[in-house]
Amino acid sequence: DVKVTQSSRYLVKRTGEKVFLECVQDMDHENMFWYRQDPGLGLRLIYFSYDVKMKEKGDIPEGYSVSREKKERFSLILESASTNQTSMYLCASSLLGQGSYNEQFFGPGTRLTVL
Amino acid sequence: AQSVTQPDIHITVSEGASLELRCNYSYGATPYLFWYVQSPGQGLQLLLKYFSGDTLVQGIKGFEAEFKRSQSSFNLRKPSVHWSDAAEYFCAVGGTSYGKLTFGQGTILTVHP
Repeated sequence: DVKVTQSSRYLVKRTGEKVFLECVQDMDHENMFWYRQDPGLGLRLIYFSYDVKMKEKGDIPEGYSVSREKKERFSLILESASTNQTSMYLCASSLLGQGSYNEQFFGPGTRLTVL
Repeated sequence: AQSVTQPDIHITVSEGASLELRCNYSYGATPYLFWYVQSPGQGLQLLLKYFSGDTLVQGIKGFEAEFKRSQSSFNLRKPSVHWSDAAEYFCAVGGTSYGKLTFGQGTILTVHP
């Protein structure tokens, strides 16, 4: 069965801390994505990766970085957490193919609170 | 740039009533369209998708959606809603490289007994 897992369901951090959110998929997917979800704004793409060590900025990359050292793992890094980064973070993966007709599979999400 | 609009932020229906959630998209070529559902505290699950062919697509849990190119719409329907359908629903459009999707703002569905 297809599976995307995220390291934490809930996380509380302090302003200025470095935060790592981990995502692992077991489907051998090439594409991986990080979104943040806020009420009334839907899902907004932070970063995505289409191959190991490759990354592309999404719509809201400021304040975030990513790392993809292995195909199955995609990490989101908040270098210095701020209160406006309090949000739900969703990871997804999909096969690489033409166009966007490959379904994205989502993890359960990490609810991050920055105090 | 592609975009998706879900005009209804919150919809309330009675159990057993019919449901239609609206989705309008903007995209220059043939879009790839998706509906996802998110139960409270969970990730997103795919309900259905449209790539080409028959404009009426069937999905899981008794949902269907109709692609209308002339109206740039992809509305989600269900003939009889169950209490377990209470969730947030997202419409998404794709068509760029690397499988990127653009999501709408979401519609929260409340079901009254």
